[in-house]
Amino acid sequence: AQSVTQLGSHVSVSEGALVLLRCNYSSSVPPYLFWYVQYPNQGLQLLLKYTSAATLVKGINGFEAEFKKSETSFHLTKPSAHMSDAAEYFCAVSDLGDSSASKIIFGSGTRLSIRP
Amino acid sequence: EAGVTQFPSHSVIEKGQTVTLRCDPISGHDNLYWYRRVMGKEIKFLLHFVKESKQDESGMPNNRFLAERTGGTYSTLKVQPAELEDSGVYFCASSQDRGTAWGAFFGQGTRLTVV
Repeated sequence: AQSVTQLGSHVSVSEGALVLLRCNYSSSVPPYLFWYVQYPNQGLQLLLKYTSAATLVKGINGFEAEFKKSETSFHLTKPSAHMSDAAEYFCAVSDLGDSSASKIIFGSGTRLSIRP
Repeated sequence: EAGVTQFPSHSVIEKGQTVTLRCDPISGHDNLYWYRRVMGKEIKFLLHFVKESKQDESGMPNNRFLAERTGGTYSTLKVQPAELEDSGVYFCASSQDRGTAWGAFFGQGTRLTVV
């Protein structure tokens, strides 16, 4: 079964510092991977997705993630944190790949705090 | 284009009462999903509709939960009778063809509090 593991339930960085949120996946089929973000009092928003094209995926708000098959990782990064990046971030996988029966499986989430 | 919309945004009910949550998916999206996040825990899958048919309801916690999608458009999730442990945020999502391979669009969620 497909799954994702997020390392660190809470990450705190200074404004302007590098953001690195870690995600490792387990998949028996070619994975389709996602990062979702939930800002305070809002719904889940798709940040970026990996769908077997380029391994470095760029998303919204300056975030990007790199798919590394050898490490089964899909870490999320942003070079310079902004106060507005404070939110909860979820790594996710499509459990049956591109099957019409697939559903999204979420990691446990990482809450990102930004220090002034 | 309108996104996925959910009603109500918040609901507070007493234990034993009934609550019905509604989800309007993005127009043209055949796939509709319900998820739930109980306080502080993971976002868990509840069920998946393809048009009006239940593709997968393996995540439904028990028979107090009933989901419908008449006509393949909007969906409702009824909890009857509600229990304290049902409190959490209920998310609805929709997607086009190929399930969730290209991701899914989520609504704002309904925060349910059972007291």
